Amino acid sequence: SQKIEQNSEALNIQEGKTATLTCNYTNYSPAYLQWYRQDPGRGPVFLLLIRENEKEKRKERLKVTFDTTLKQSLFHITASQPADSATYLCALPIYNQGGKLIFGQGTELSVKP
Amino acid sequence: DSGVTQTPKHLITATGQRVTLRCSPRSGDLSVYWYQQSLDQGLQFLIQYYNGEERAKGNILERFSAQQFPDLHSELNLSSLELGDSALYFCASSVGGRDSTDTQYFGPGTRLTVL
Repeated sequence: SQKIEQNSEALNIQEGKTATLTCNYTNYSPAYLQWYRQDPGRGPVFLLLIRENEKEKRKERLKVTFDTTLKQSLFHITASQPADSATYLCALPIYNQGGKLIFGQGTELSVKP
Repeated sequence: DSGVTQTPKHLITATGQRVTLRCSPRSGDLSVYWYQQSLDQGLQFLIQYYNGEERAKGNILERFSAQQFPDLHSELNLSSLELGDSALYFCASSVGGRDSTDTQYFGPGTRLTVL
C-alpha cells in the first residue's frame, strides 16, 4: 500500500536559517503533491501544490521540489522566523478517488530566536 | 479563518454513546471531507461528499456514518463509541471534488473525548 514518510523527529533551527523538511513516498506515482501547515489544536492550512512535471515551486520564502525518480519532495523555508514554528504535513492524492488525500505524519519545526 | 465552521468545538461523552458532529463548508464549496487526527495515527481521511453524494471513502469504521444535506452542510455520526475514538475530527471543504488538485480548506475541528 502507499506509504508517506516525513522526518519523524522535530527540527530545531535558529532564526534566519533555512529549514528543510523531507517527504518520501513509496508504492505510488502521484501526479502532484501538497504541503500543509498545522498549528497545535488547529486545522491544517494549505501552502503549496507541486505537479509531477514541475521540478520546483516557490511562494515568498517557501520553496518545494519534487523528484519523481527519488520519490521525494523537499520543503524549504528560507530566512526562517519564530512564527514559522508549526507542524508541516505533506499530502498525496489517491488516483481516481475524488479529493482523497493521504497525509504524512508531519514534521514539527521549531525556530528559535 | 478558513470559512469552514464546525460544531461543537469540544465533546466529552462515555463509551457506547452516539454523537453527531456538524460541518458547514465555505460558501460555494460543493465538497466536504472528514478527517480523524489522533496522536498515533496522524491525519486520516474518512470520507468525502460532493454535492450531496458520497465521492470517496477511506478507512471509515462501520460505526461511523456521514451525510451531506441539500444545503451542503454535513454531519458525521459516530456510534457505539470506544476509548480509541477519542481524537480531533476535522472537516474540510473545496470548490470541486472530482480530483484532488482542489485546495482543501479545513475547519477548526471538534475535539472528541470518550471516557
